[in-house]
Amino acid sequence: AQTVTQSQPEMSVQEAETVTLSCTYDTSESNYYLFWYKQPPSRQMILVIRQEAYKQQNATENRFSVNFQKAAKSFSLKISDSQLGDTAMYFCAFMRMLAGGGNKLTFGTGTQLKVEL
Amino acid sequence: DTAVSQTPKYLVTQMGNDKSIKCEQNLGHDTMYWYKQDSKKFLKIMFSYNNKELIINETVPNRFSPKSPDKAHLNLHINSLELGDSAVYFCASSPPVSRYNEQFFGPGTRLTVL
Repeated sequence: AQTVTQSQPEMSVQEAETVTLSCTYDTSESNYYLFWYKQPPSRQMILVIRQEAYKQQNATENRFSVNFQKAAKSFSLKISDSQLGDTAMYFCAFMRMLAGGGNKLTFGTGTQLKVEL
Repeated sequence: DTAVSQTPKYLVTQMGNDKSIKCEQNLGHDTMYWYKQDSKKFLKIMFSYNNKELIINETVPNRFSPKSPDKAHLNLHINSLELGDSAVYFCASSPPVSRYNEQFFGPGTRLTVL
């Protein structure tokens, strides 16, 4: 079974600064996907960034980037130029494909990020 | 709007009652999911249907029964509600296997059992 570990329950960062959220996972799969989802107080689950395990290049989406270390099974999220709107719960998630269609997402316990003035 | 929608958004009910939560997606996806987010914000998969067939059935009490009348709908029926069922329930959907594998989430239904 896959497990996803987020060891930082809470973090805070000053506006315009950079923050890194940690995530490690455990799997025996060779082909999988990794995600960071954001959940603001509105509770909507919003996809932040996606990484395919077969790609060595780290994914980036504007101010968000990841450091994907496949051998170490590590997938951290870096948020640059933090904004007040980045305040949210961030979930790391592991996806494996299911035979016959569909996929299965396993989530970490989340990191509550607070961006302060 | 193209989206995953859930009704109702809020549900308050008494212990012992039976209730249903409905989910619809107009994204043309083949697979739909139900998740439970507990009071500590932990998200866990409950069920998944692919083309109306059950493909994921995690350790969930028998009081929970999913029903998929067609590919665009996945409803969750809960019998004999208990206090511990209070949570936010999310529906999600995903397209057939593609380069951009992703699950699209609904807005969630907050269920409160009194």
